[in-house]
Amino acid sequence: DSGVTQTPKHLITATGQRVTLRCSPRSGDLSVYWYQQSLDQGLQFLIQYYNGEERAKGNILERFSAQQFPDLHSELNLSSLELGDSALYFCASSVGGGYIDTDTQYFGPGTRLTVL
Amino acid sequence: EDKVVQSPLSLVVHEGDTVTLNCSYEVTNFRSLLWYKQEKKAPTFLFMLTSSGIEKKSGRLSSILDKKELSSILNITATQTGDSAIYLCAVEGWYSGGGADGLTFGKGTHLIIQP
Repeated sequence: DSGVTQTPKHLITATGQRVTLRCSPRSGDLSVYWYQQSLDQGLQFLIQYYNGEERAKGNILERFSAQQFPDLHSELNLSSLELGDSALYFCASSVGGGYIDTDTQYFGPGTRLTVL
Repeated sequence: EDKVVQSPLSLVVHEGDTVTLNCSYEVTNFRSLLWYKQEKKAPTFLFMLTSSGIEKKSGRLSSILDKKELSSILNITATQTGDSAIYLCAVEGWYSGGGADGLTFGKGTHLIIQP
């Protein structure tokens, strides 16, 4: 158990809908990362927050948005869902957010999203 | 656009062998290179290499960054069946304005250790 929690574990929804994925980082970790993993695209970095502020942005669609709250948990919002959004969504957390060379990311178990 | 290429794509060896996985990259304003291990679940973070930390070691795993050749290797000695996994490499650069550019991943090397 990494100490990172993600809810829900599985999510099945229809095209056009909106969903929210939640991530709670390990105690003491200030940074949260979001990743998407699909069969055809592999693991892709979406976005990273550090202590409530956006630190880095990757291949995140405009239909997707995220935020990190004062208690450091994070939510990833996916809207106008398409079939191609079906994937595993991982959250990871770290203390230093990549700012320190000894930083380590800890991954949550992931949320499996299926769009029908 | 940042680019990461891993080789080989797939590798099958016998238990006890030593393996070397390769990662080459193109990135604007290199900041760090990261290695992950992924079995049938969430990835596990292995190492982060930067300009000030070009060599890391943890047990039977070690990694070296070659900034001149824009590449990194991940070595696993005395392999065990539990090392069977997909090994992912990612790089991060800096924006010209000083912010982090996010991670770009390679396709991974699928390592299979046969008993």
